Amino acid sequence: NAGVTQTPKFRVLKTGQSMTLLCAQDMNHEYMYWYRQDPGMGLRLIHYSVGEGTTAKGEVPDGYNVSRLKKQNFLLGLESAAPSQTSVYFCASIPRGAVDTQYFGPGTRLTVL
Amino acid sequence: GENVEQHPSTLSVQEGDSAVIKCTYSDSASNYFPWYKQELGKRPQLIIDIRSNVGEKKDQRIAVTLNKTAKHFSLHITETQPEDSAVYFCLASSGGYNKLIFGAGTRLAVHP
Repeated sequence: NAGVTQTPKFRVLKTGQSMTLLCAQDMNHEYMYWYRQDPGMGLRLIHYSVGEGTTAKGEVPDGYNVSRLKKQNFLLGLESAAPSQTSVYFCASIPRGAVDTQYFGPGTRLTVL
Repeated sequence: GENVEQHPSTLSVQEGDSAVIKCTYSDSASNYFPWYKQELGKRPQLIIDIRSNVGEKKDQRIAVTLNKTAKHFSLHITETQPEDSAVYFCLASSGGYNKLIFGAGTRLAVHP
């Protein structure tokens, strides 16, 4: 049982490049979330998903897109990366009916030059 | 939607002292209040939580208190140790999974 995993762990992009971050969970969790954490700051919700095939905007969705084609995977896409998107990205998942068991992935450190 | 304010943003204490971090929430329907600890370079980890049907919960040196009338809850750490140094985040949830919004975090430094 790997829990919540994130790919890649680190990435450096140039302004304007695109990339996709993958969050995968093997716990059959219903709900999944993408957060960003800037240096010295808190966690801000980007997008979330309450089930396969559904996504919704969080606090800071601009510049990002997401997809949940499979229940176990939640993808975060940057179509045209900007330096302001330099951050650590955390994915989290929660099983149905158990908000008290939010599991976080290890994070992806993204730098946009 | 829910709005969570967390204070202080930084807290510095001497080893053995107590530390208190407070969060205020806006949605009176919120009924679940967890606290997370994040060590440098690591993911957030749940350390304690409380539900709205109780006023206080303890787990060894940490405790959480809830005041539903005033809509605030607090994390209390007693006999602080250097390994308590981390960033602590609160969260208030109404049981829905739609938006889980964290407080801005408190950076706690425990000095030997």
